[in-house]
Amino acid sequence: DAKTTQPTSMDCAEGRAANLPCNHSTISGNEYVYWYRQIHSQGPQYIIHGLKNNETNEMASLIITEDRKSSTLILPHATLRDTAVYYCIVRGTGANSKLTFGKGITLSVRP
Amino acid sequence: GAVVSQHPSRVICKSGTSVKIECRSLDFQATTMFWYRQFPKKSLMLMATSNEGSKATYEQGVEKDKFLINHASLTLSTLTVTSAHPEDSSFYICSASRGTSGGYEQYFGPGTRLTVT
Repeated sequence: DAKTTQPTSMDCAEGRAANLPCNHSTISGNEYVYWYRQIHSQGPQYIIHGLKNNETNEMASLIITEDRKSSTLILPHATLRDTAVYYCIVRGTGANSKLTFGKGITLSVRP
Repeated sequence: GAVVSQHPSRVICKSGTSVKIECRSLDFQATTMFWYRQFPKKSLMLMATSNEGSKATYEQGVEKDKFLINHASLTLSTLTVTSAHPEDSSFYICSASRGTSGGYEQYFGPGTRLTVT
């Protein structure tokens, strides 16, 4: 699976948008970009995924560059409960496709 | 959304004993489940891939005789830590693959905190 690189940490003010970047320059044509987050001492939570088009759901938006070498997860109105480690992962879509977790980015939302 | 449960949520056992952790997909059938472990302040590390009705596939460096995995039904996989030692203390998390129109998504359980004394 392609590797991803993310900044170690970032913070944002409550109510503002949080933009979390991810580089995946070696992504292959059939790999999707996935975002999960993990709140302390809990299992990871699925946020969103995409192939090449921008995606939006009730939690976040995913912006993927045209060359697919990078993406940005956008939390439009961050709350204190969004403080977590966010993982950007690329993988295929088969049942046995693995999720390889890197170090992720620690997002701290401040009051 | 898809729900995956784990039992127990936390367990304390004595060194040398065995501990079984259950992972259940509550509202969908999962032909494939995954087991991860996570040490404090570290990321999740995949231990093994579990397919219903067949032997699990272990990642390099994971002892299959130490971590026994059974995936006997489409909704249940178990991980047994045999002859546990303090270094096995960790956060164990499972996930289950669910088929969707766009492929297979993984949904995670809440994790099991194992402490070996």
